[in-house]
Amino acid sequence: DSGVTQTPKHLITATGQRVTLRCSPRSGDLSVYWYQQSLDQGLQFLIQYYNGEERAKGNILERFSAQQFPDLHSELNLSSLELGDSALYFCASSVAGSTYNEQFFGPGTRLTVL
Amino acid sequence: DQQVKQNSPSLSVQEGRISILNCDYTNSMFDYFLWYKKYPAEGPTFLISISSIKDKNEDGRFTVFLNKSAKHLSLHIVPSQPGDSAVYFCAASNSGAGSYQLTFGKGTKLSVIP
Repeated sequence: DSGVTQTPKHLITATGQRVTLRCSPRSGDLSVYWYQQSLDQGLQFLIQYYNGEERAKGNILERFSAQQFPDLHSELNLSSLELGDSALYFCASSVAGSTYNEQFFGPGTRLTVL
Repeated sequence: DQQVKQNSPSLSVQEGRISILNCDYTNSMFDYFLWYKKYPAEGPTFLISISSIKDKNEDGRFTVFLNKSAKHLSLHIVPSQPGDSAVYFCAASNSGAGSYQLTFGKGTKLSVIP
């Protein structure tokens, strides 16, 4: 158990809908990262938050947004969903300022868009 | 453009023998490299890492080698055990970028045959 929790585990929805994925980082970790893993793809970095502020953006679509709350949990919002958004979404957290930046991953949310 | 490449999608090894997983990168700004192991239906688990100032790091049965001039790293598992069967991801980060986001390869599926 990495200490990172993600809910829900599975999500099935229809095209055009909006969903919210939730992540709670390990106790004490200030950084939260979101990654997407599509079929046959490696993990693609989407966005990072550090202590409530956006730190870096990767290949995140404009239809997607995220935020990190004062209690450090994070939410990833996906809107106007398309079939191609079906994927595993992972959240990871890390200790800020760590020389060796191991990121600890949650179990993921599997999103299926029908 | 894939900055981290794992050219072998799969690898089969007999129990007790050495497993060697390879990874190449193109971005010379990467200065920290990690290996993650992933079982089905779970998030990636951190395995071992190496900083660009080193060329080798060991942790029990796992050793990572880094050849900066060739932009190549490898993970050696000795001896291999059936429980090592999983997908292994190579990842890299550029600490100078300030965000520590990880760039992942597509993974190598290791099967250790009893």
